[in-house]
Amino acid sequence: QVQLVQSGAEVKKPGASVKVSCKASGYTFSAYYIQWVRQAPGQGPEWMGWINPSSGGTVYAQRFQGRVTMTSDTSIATTYMDLSNLKSDDSAVYFCVRANSGQPDSWGQGTLVTVSS
Amino acid sequence: DIQMTQSPSTLSASVGDTVTITCRASQSVSTWLAWYQQKPGKAPNLLISKASNLESGVPSRFSGSGSGTEFTLTISNLQPEDVATYFCHQYRGHWTFGQGTKVEIK
Repeated sequence: QVQLVQSGAEVKKPGASVKVSCKASGYTFSAYYIQWVRQAPGQGPEWMGWINPSSGGTVYAQRFQGRVTMTSDTSIATTYMDLSNLKSDDSAVYFCVRANSGQPDSWGQGTLVTVSS
Repeated sequence: DIQMTQSPSTLSASVGDTVTITCRASQSVSTWLAWYQQKPGKAPNLLISKASNLESGVPSRFSGSGSGTEFTLTISNLQPEDVATYFCHQYRGHWTFGQGTKVEIK
């Protein structure tokens, strides 16, 4: 079955960067886009952007432009989300989501990122 | 970006009741709308896609309706295990989500 397994929780200081991984299994990795979403405590999810693992093409939400980089490694069916210059309000759970023709169908388990001095 | 306004933010109902959650989009999303259930510390669980398509394994007491800018999620015969937060999600354009409705049992 389709599975997206994310890397473990991270604690970072303000100004640092974090790289979250999302390993896919159970389907043809290059055939589906991966979207990244984050969710701050008590809030609705917030879309960050997507990557086409086949071409490496990306689209980022405007508010993250210049701070986020999404990449993929088709040899190990893994997508990465790198967020730089972290601030305290970047503390959130980060999710990768498989998109089937734009429609969400599978979520990773989430990765908690805590930004604290 | 398309804004999603969800209401109410919390609701309290009795076991066996029928509850309705509403989501309004700032512009038409056709039927490109999903509903999720989320329990604390867990990823959102997809209940409904394309506004009204029940996902496999989801109890039939959950139903979705609407198109364009107005959508509803209905839970019939509310059960204790339905205590959770529910989100709407439009995927017509860049994804956006509602702020959530917390469902409690009286």
